[in-house]
Amino acid sequence: AQRVTQPEKLLSVFKGAPVELKCNYSYSGSPELFWYVQYSRQRLQLLLRHISRESIKGFTADLNKGETSFHLKKPFAQEEDSAMYYCAPNRPLNAGGTSYGKLTFGQGTILTVHP
Amino acid sequence: DVKVTQSSRYLVKRTGEKVFLECVQDMDHENMFWYRQDPGLGLRLIYFSYDVKMKEKGDIPEGYSVSREKKERFSLILESASTNQTSMYLCASSSPRFASGRQPIVAGELFFGEGSRLTVL
Repeated sequence: AQRVTQPEKLLSVFKGAPVELKCNYSYSGSPELFWYVQYSRQRLQLLLRHISRESIKGFTADLNKGETSFHLKKPFAQEEDSAMYYCAPNRPLNAGGTSYGKLTFGQGTILTVHP
Repeated sequence: DVKVTQSSRYLVKRTGEKVFLECVQDMDHENMFWYRQDPGLGLRLIYFSYDVKMKEKGDIPEGYSVSREKKERFSLILESASTNQTSMYLCASSSPRFASGRQPIVAGELFFGEGSRLTVL
């Protein structure tokens, strides 16, 4: 069965420390992977997608097909990074298919950055 | 500005009541989704719709039904609410991306509503 796992429910770091939120998936083929974030009292929103290969708010995420992982990293955490983070693979499709964007979300990791 | 609006932020219902949760998007998106969000379980897909009057079951459809009569509106219905349906319900919408040949497939970004917190007593 296709599965996505975020092994840490809670993660606490101090401001300025590096942070890594883990995500492992078990999908055949090459899924497209996303990180979504929910800040306190805000709606869930896209943080970044692996296909863009970009850094958003200092966060990066590298797809490791060998380890089937898509860990989210930031070298220096800030207090405003405190939030709930979800990893979400989109199922891979054959050419000619239509992506409905039906994402499977991980269990989520609550990141707390202490001053 | 992109907007997904859920009609009720907080609801309290009694066991056995019929519950309607409504969601409206103003982005002309084809896809709409209903998820429930529970601590430790993440987001789980209940139902989704890829066109008017079209719907497909997600991972946990039992006890729920949906209605999509207009493109902009997607309703979640609990025919007979139960206490285990106490949860945060999130609506989302997206626009599909089509694959062609060897081009990368890009899934549309999901835009979420603020959520509806339902308590069933």
